[in-house]
Amino acid sequence: SAVISQKPSRDICQRGTSLTIQCQVDSQVTMMFWYRQQPGQSLTLIATANQGSEATYESGFVIDKFPISRPNLTFSTLTVSNMSPEDSSIYLCSVGTVRNYGYTFGSGTRLTVV
Amino acid sequence: DAKTTQPTSMDCAEGRAANLPCNHSTISGNEYVYWYRQIHSQGPQYIIHGLKNNETNEMASLIITEDRKSSTLILPHATLRDTAVYYCIVRVPNAGNNRKLIWGLGTSLAVNP
Repeated sequence: SAVISQKPSRDICQRGTSLTIQCQVDSQVTMMFWYRQQPGQSLTLIATANQGSEATYESGFVIDKFPISRPNLTFSTLTVSNMSPEDSSIYLCSVGTVRNYGYTFGSGTRLTVV
Repeated sequence: DAKTTQPTSMDCAEGRAANLPCNHSTISGNEYVYWYRQIHSQGPQYIIHGLKNNETNEMASLIITEDRKSSTLILPHATLRDTAVYYCIVRVPNAGNNRKLIWGLGTSLAVNP
């Protein structure tokens, strides 16, 4: 399965600032996803990152708050904009290929907003 | 909204089989059942998935009832390293001919010595 490098692994940020999280995959993948996992909670899908076009956002998530880029089949970024303490979560990158139906996850970015 | 319900927590003795149940009574005919686990502070790890037939791999077995309304993940010989939160997930259609995983709240499995 694909190997994902997600950076940074953790960060503490001031409210009102923005943080960009990077997801690098060691092979070309069809699908890339960004999730949020709030403390003690399950995973919630933020958006599907589409190569060469705008990301597809889930209900409750908007591009202005969570802009996403995917310039090629191995790399994507998620930006958390104008952060507030409520954005403190673990953010996870996930990838999938049509062939194996399985989805691989990165180790996550633990974000704390103060 | 989650499409699965699971027990909040379970215990299992080391070396014994761990049987984790999941209800997905609203699942549709083309929606797969996936199982992942998450060990504290790590990303989720894929275990197994299936549509209607029982599946087995090196990690676990997945038993899906004939009506597909429930399934059971079986870890045949649980070890202490299997202590984790286990998520039963349904994969559903999404916009643009994509698919997405709908995560439930998971079962916290504690394997005891």
